[in-house]
Parts: sequence; C-alpha cells; structure tokens
Amino acid sequence: EVQLVESGGGLVQPGGSLRVSCAASGFTFNKFWMHWVRQVPGKGLVWVSRIDSDGSRRNYADSVKGRFTISRDNAKNTLYLQMNSLRVEDTAVYYCARAREVLEDYGIDVWGHGTTVTVS
Amino acid sequence: DIVMTQSPDSLAVSLGERATINCKSSQNVLYSPNNKNYLAWYQQKPGQPPKLLIYWASTRDSGVPDRFSGSGSGTDFTLSISSLQAEDVAVYYCQQYYDTPITFGQGTRLAIK
Repeated sequence: EVQLVESGGGLVQPGGSLRVSCAASGFTFNKFWMHWVRQVPGKGLVWVSRIDSDGSRRNYADSVKGRFTISRDNAKNTLYLQMNSLRVEDTAVYYCARAREVLEDYGIDVWGHGTTVTVS
Repeated sequence: DIVMTQSPDSLAVSLGERATINCKSSQNVLYSPNNKNYLAWYQQKPGQPPKLLIYWASTRDSGVPDRFSGSGSGTDFTLSISSLQAEDVAVYYCQQYYDTPITFGQGTRLAIK
C-alpha cells in the first residue's frame, strides 16, 4: 500500500525554525517527484514546494522562497521541509504529496494525512 | 502565476440530481505538443487529505465512481457528478499543474439540498 506519513509539526515562535518529515512506503520513492502543500484549517489548498526524483530540481512558492528548503533522502525514503524564519501566516497543516507518474510531474495523486505547524 | 477561479463557492443539490462545478484558469493549461490539459480535480472531506478524482481534465483516477466526470479544455473546465450520493458531500478543488507555482482553485463546498 502506498503511504506517506508526515511528522515533526508543532508549536514554534515567530522567527523560529522547524523541520517536518515525510516517510514514504509502498512505492519506489526515488522515481517520483514530491511536493509539500499546506492548508489553513477551513481554508483552501496552497502549494509550497516540489523536488524532482534525485533532488536536483526544486521549486518554491514566492511566499516561502528563501525561508523554506525542500530536500529528500532517497536511501531513507524520506522527504523533508526545513522551515526557517517562520511567520504567523505559516501556520497550517502541511501535507506531503506524491506526483502521479514515474519521473514526471503530472499532478499529485497520493497525499499524506498532514502535520500541523503552529507559529505563535 | 496562473489563477484558478471556481464557481460557485458553494452548491446544494438534491440526492440523485446532477451537480456541476466550474473552474476557469487565467491562462491556457493545454499543452499543444501532447494535446493534454494540465488540470486535475480533488475531493476533500472533513478531517481528510484531498483525494484525486480526475487528471488530464477528463481521466478518472483508479477506483473513482463513473458518476464523476471532467470536461473542458484550454481555460474552462467542469466537474460533474451525474447522480449525487450522500458520500459526495465534500469540498472540491481544481488544480493546474501546467506551470509552477502549481495553483488550486478556492474550492467549492457541495452539500445536500
């Protein structure tokens, strides 16, 4: 069964840092682009960042560029999001998500259940 | 950035009736070399992550009931539910994956009338 399990969320003060992780299982992790998407409870979905299968290409939303870093460890089947200089407006549920096709980013098909980050 | 605008924001439909949600992109999301629309639809129920329903604007994901269908091309798209069931109550999002930043519509809340 394909599974994505996020961890590492919590409460952090403004200006602080946090790293969230996503453990992947049930598929060949090193062949898929991966994404982070966030959602304020009761609000819509907002894409944060993506990384290609070998970690050589990364993209970010303007709102997090220069503060957040996406990375992956294919040996550990794990995706990361390092979040620095956190702001109150970064408070959200952070979802890890997988691209739908091998080696290509043609949309997202699998989502984790999310980890909650609260900046206050 | 490609802005995705859904209409309506909320919708109430009787059980067994048809539900239609629209999505308009601010730029064309049809990629001419492969003639594919880089548009997906997701369903999100309370307390759950989104679930992929439709990709390439009209291809149902595996296991999605055939009462769900997607149509449209270029900048105008539609998600239809042919005969609404109680379990279809959810928020529905369109998403473009033509270009980064990947963007979502604001969501349409579907309820039972």
